[in-house]
Amino acid sequence: QSALTQPASVSGSPGQSITISCTGTSTDVGAHTHVSWFRQYPDTTPKLIIYEVTNRPSGVSNRLSGSKSGNTASLTISRLRVDDEADYYCYAYSASADTFVFGTGTKVTVL
Amino acid sequence: EGQLVQSEGISVQPGGSLRLSCAGSGFPFSDYYIHWARQAPGQGLVWVSRITDDGTHTRYADFVKGRFTVSRDNVKNTVYLHMSSLRAEDTGIYYCGAARQWRFDYWGQGTQLTVSS
Repeated sequence: QSALTQPASVSGSPGQSITISCTGTSTDVGAHTHVSWFRQYPDTTPKLIIYEVTNRPSGVSNRLSGSKSGNTASLTISRLRVDDEADYYCYAYSASADTFVFGTGTKVTVL
Repeated sequence: EGQLVQSEGISVQPGGSLRLSCAGSGFPFSDYYIHWARQAPGQGLVWVSRITDDGTHTRYADFVKGRFTVSRDNVKNTVYLHMSSLRAEDTGIYYCGAARQWRFDYWGQGTQLTVSS
């Protein structure tokens, strides 16, 4: 049950686009579409921003988009804003163990 | 508006036991799987456990297997995380989340657990 691998930090200027990667294996990220992304501000509850690789819950900005290629899922934030500064976590189902795993987390900084 | 409300924070000595609760309201609780995750101070989220909507199937992370048990009472709309043989490294905030068809619709506010002598 090793954590999915994310970059520790990603930064960008307002208006730019950034992409956060989430690398797993052929038994979790690469095995199906059950990959989600969460945003967490300091001292707050995680919030779902992407589910099933590409789907946005209602109310989530269309500046956020998800994708997947092989064993790596990605979250792209377009037209970066100051309030995008937060921690981001991917989350996937591990089919081989019937368990779940979070990514290591990425801190997004808006310069 | 649906919500999950978790029990208050608690401190316990190493080796001790306790039960966390996660109560749902404003949504069809019995239709949802419930996941538990935890976050140690300054660290990332880690998956702990999951229970199916009807309570018949449970899964655990290896580091809690044999020490934690998850159960639910769909009449009371509540899920419980029974924790025993607690260790200092179990310290952190425990969150419950409700998911249906792989989409997390609700998260609890978190319960701070401190394991210390």
